[in-house]
Amino acid sequence: LAKTTQPISMDSYEGQEVNITCSHNNIATNDYITWYQQFPSQGPRFIIQGYKTKVTNEVASLFIPADRKSSTLSLPRVSLSDTAVYYCLVGDMVNDYKLSFGAGTTVTVRA
Amino acid sequence: GAVVSQHPSWVICKSGTSVKIECRSLDFQATTMFWYRQFPKQSLMLMATSNEGSKATYEQGVEKDKFLINHASLTLSTLTVTSAHPEDSSFYICSARDPGLAGAIDTQYFGPGTRLTVL
Repeated sequence: LAKTTQPISMDSYEGQEVNITCSHNNIATNDYITWYQQFPSQGPRFIIQGYKTKVTNEVASLFIPADRKSSTLSLPRVSLSDTAVYYCLVGDMVNDYKLSFGAGTTVTVRA
Repeated sequence: GAVVSQHPSWVICKSGTSVKIECRSLDFQATTMFWYRQFPKQSLMLMATSNEGSKATYEQGVEKDKFLINHASLTLSTLTVTSAHPEDSSFYICSARDPGLAGAIDTQYFGPGTRLTVL
């Protein structure tokens, strides 16, 4: 399983854009990048998934450079309710589908 | 997104008893489900991969005789913690692989978790 490295914590204010960068230098050909959000005592919630270039949905954007060795999750105009732990995962979505969770990034949004 | 449920959401039991946790995919069929464990202030740790109709595959260090997994149908996997002890107290979370539409990439969706407390 490809290992990921992301900042331990980030602080932001309401209405700002939050960008979390994740490093995954040994990403493999069949690996996809997936981001999850987790609140205390809840299961992780799917945010976005991609393979290369840019992916956007109603809650976030995911930017993946051509070498795929990193990715950036962008959360536009965060609110207090976006305070959570965000996990970047790299997993083989073709063969074993296993995901290995790292420490995640604790994002704290202040008023 | 797809919905995964877990039951019960919390359970308290006495040491030495067994506890069964159910994981269901509500609006899709999941040939593969996963079981994780999460201790306070820590990340999720993958325990095992559950495949419908076959034996589960356990991660290194996870006792298969203690954590029994059954995936009898495409929408249900169960985790039974046998002879539970206080050190088994944790937050247990399942996920299910949603194959999505034809040509789409599989995505894992997680259940809400089950808080197990062993007295």
